Amino acid sequence: RKEVEQDPGPFNVPEGATVAFNCTYSNSASQSFFWYRQDCRKEPKLLMSVYSSGNEDGRFTAQLNRASQYISLLIRDSKLSDSATYLCVVTGGISYGKLTFGQGTILTVHP
Amino acid sequence: EADIYQTPRYLVIGTGKKITLECSQTMGHDKMYWYQQDPGMELHLIHYSYGVNSTEKGDLSSESTVSRIRTEHFPLTLESARPSHTSQYLCASSGTPSYNEQFFGPGTRLTVL
Repeated sequence: RKEVEQDPGPFNVPEGATVAFNCTYSNSASQSFFWYRQDCRKEPKLLMSVYSSGNEDGRFTAQLNRASQYISLLIRDSKLSDSATYLCVVTGGISYGKLTFGQGTILTVHP
Repeated sequence: EADIYQTPRYLVIGTGKKITLECSQTMGHDKMYWYQQDPGMELHLIHYSYGVNSTEKGDLSSESTVSRIRTEHFPLTLESARPSHTSQYLCASSGTPSYNEQFFGPGTRLTVL
């Protein structure tokens, strides 16, 4: 079983749609959680951290459920520029500072 | 923009050649990492370093080696390149205040013929 699992998609949605991505992790000792974004043929970049209380950054909302070892990302009012691969990332426990990446979820927003 | 650089950006080379992929950062980060990513696939950690003279192998076995003689520099070397080494290699670094946020370089796309 992979440490971090995501639905690879692809998700094809029209502009303005709301889309949600899910991610599960297997290591209950994980301490920190993130969503990274990777554009085609580019390097990953941090999109947002994920906090236990849930957090929002503009159109993006991230939530964490430690009991279920589940992380989500909600994108509201999708823009064409949101098209990218979204990577669920987990770290912590004995591997402090080492990130474990999911395989990514591909999002394509079309006009 | 993150101050982390990789050279070359693209490299096409023949089998058996020795290659070194360069990575440098100007953020003073003590932690640095090398990832390997095939097209459309996930990133795999192949090497990491928590500081000068510290190097560790990552989660994915790799025939490459690394060194960390200076804080800002973390080169990766393949002694004898093979077609199976064809991939994208991404360097990253992290440091205070948040060790969990990694900044990535633009990557090196390696093709071994």
